[in-house]
Amino acid sequence: AQTVTQSQPEMSVQEAETVTLSCTYDTSESNYYLFWYKQPPSRQMILVIRQEAYKQQNATENRFSVNFQKAAKSFSLKISDSQLGDTAMYFCAFGTQGGSEKLVFGKGTKLTVNP
Amino acid sequence: NAGVTQTPKFRILKIGQSMTLQCTQDMNHNYMYWYRQDPGMGLKLIYYSVGAGITDKGEVPNGYNVSRSTTEDFPLRLELAAPSQTSVYFCASSYSQTGSDEQYFGPGTRLTVT
Repeated sequence: AQTVTQSQPEMSVQEAETVTLSCTYDTSESNYYLFWYKQPPSRQMILVIRQEAYKQQNATENRFSVNFQKAAKSFSLKISDSQLGDTAMYFCAFGTQGGSEKLVFGKGTKLTVNP
Repeated sequence: NAGVTQTPKFRILKIGQSMTLQCTQDMNHNYMYWYRQDPGMGLKLIYYSVGAGITDKGEVPNGYNVSRSTTEDFPLRLELAAPSQTSVYFCASSYSQTGSDEQYFGPGTRLTVT
């Protein structure tokens, strides 16, 4: 069974600085997808970034980028130039390609951006 | 597009009561999902559907039922509510399979069973 571990329950960062959120996962699958979802106080889950396991290049979306280390089963999220609106819970999630329709979520990291 | 909508936003149930959580999407997505989120935890899949008339159990289906008579709607039924079902419930949809396609989430329903 797949598992996703986020070892940092809470983090804080000053506005405009950079922060990295950690995520590790365990799987025997070779083809899979990894996601970071953001859940602001409004509770709406929003996709931040996605990584296909077969791609070696790390995904980037504006100020958000990942460090995907497939051999180490690590998938960290880097937020550059942090903004107050980045304050939220961040969930790492794992999905397999085809077959199972289940997304496996980590427990989340609560990020606070301080002014 | 409204995306994924859920009603109600909040609900308090007494033990043993039943209710239906409504979910509608207007993106013509084939796949729909129900998750629950307990305090301090990630989301866990309750049920999912790959199209109208087709549903299947997720990780934590006990105490719940679903139906999918149309592409747009995917209601979740709670029978004989128990305190263990106190949670926030999210409905989501995607165009294709979970692994390859983004899931779009509704705003959630906060349910308390007392």
